[in-house]
Amino acid sequence: GENVEQHPSTLSVQEGDSAVIKCTYSDSASNYFPWYKQELGKGPQLIIDIRSNVGEKKDQRIAVTLNKTAKHFSLHITETQPEDSAVYFCAASYYGQNFVFGPGTRLSVLP
Amino acid sequence: GAVVSQHPSWVICKSGTSVKIECRSLDFQATTMFWYRQFPKQSLMLMATSNEGSKATYEQGVEKDKFLINHASLTLSTLTVTSAHPEDSSFYICSASTSGDTYEQYFGPGTRLTVT
Repeated sequence: GENVEQHPSTLSVQEGDSAVIKCTYSDSASNYFPWYKQELGKGPQLIIDIRSNVGEKKDQRIAVTLNKTAKHFSLHITETQPEDSAVYFCAASYYGQNFVFGPGTRLSVLP
Repeated sequence: GAVVSQHPSWVICKSGTSVKIECRSLDFQATTMFWYRQFPKQSLMLMATSNEGSKATYEQGVEKDKFLINHASLTLSTLTVTSAHPEDSSFYICSASTSGDTYEQYFGPGTRLTVT
């Protein structure tokens, strides 16, 4: 079955700096890779996603890159703000089914 | 659009009792609903997948007789934790997806269950 690793487990950055979180997956059949932000006591919120036929996707300060050959994808957050502080989860999926989540990254943006 | 609600948001029950958690898609028809469990500072673990009108498919290691899932309509799925024990205390999160070309799952806000 699919296995998703995520690094780092914790990340502290200064406000205004960039943050990068990386995930690797094991099943080459996976073709959908979403990223979620979860605040304490709340459900995950989709922030960006990418399909396997695309190498990069950007939405304002957030971007995701995918390397299918190496089976890894990364979340990039630029110009970080204190409200970006949360736990971020990556996931890998086959056509939107059988989501497998990474262990999460706790991001702290220091003012 | 694509809002999923859960009720209750938190519940405390006594050991041995049963508790039901509702998951509703408010503005779309959910052909598939998923139930996850999340322990503190851990990731989400899929418990089961349910399609409207069909029996749920449980992940390995999840007791189907303990975690009863019903997906009676395209907007409602319920999870009933039967004979709850303290080790069932957790954060339960549902998600929903639609048919078609979208792969996205829309997550509910979660339900905090504490069994005393």
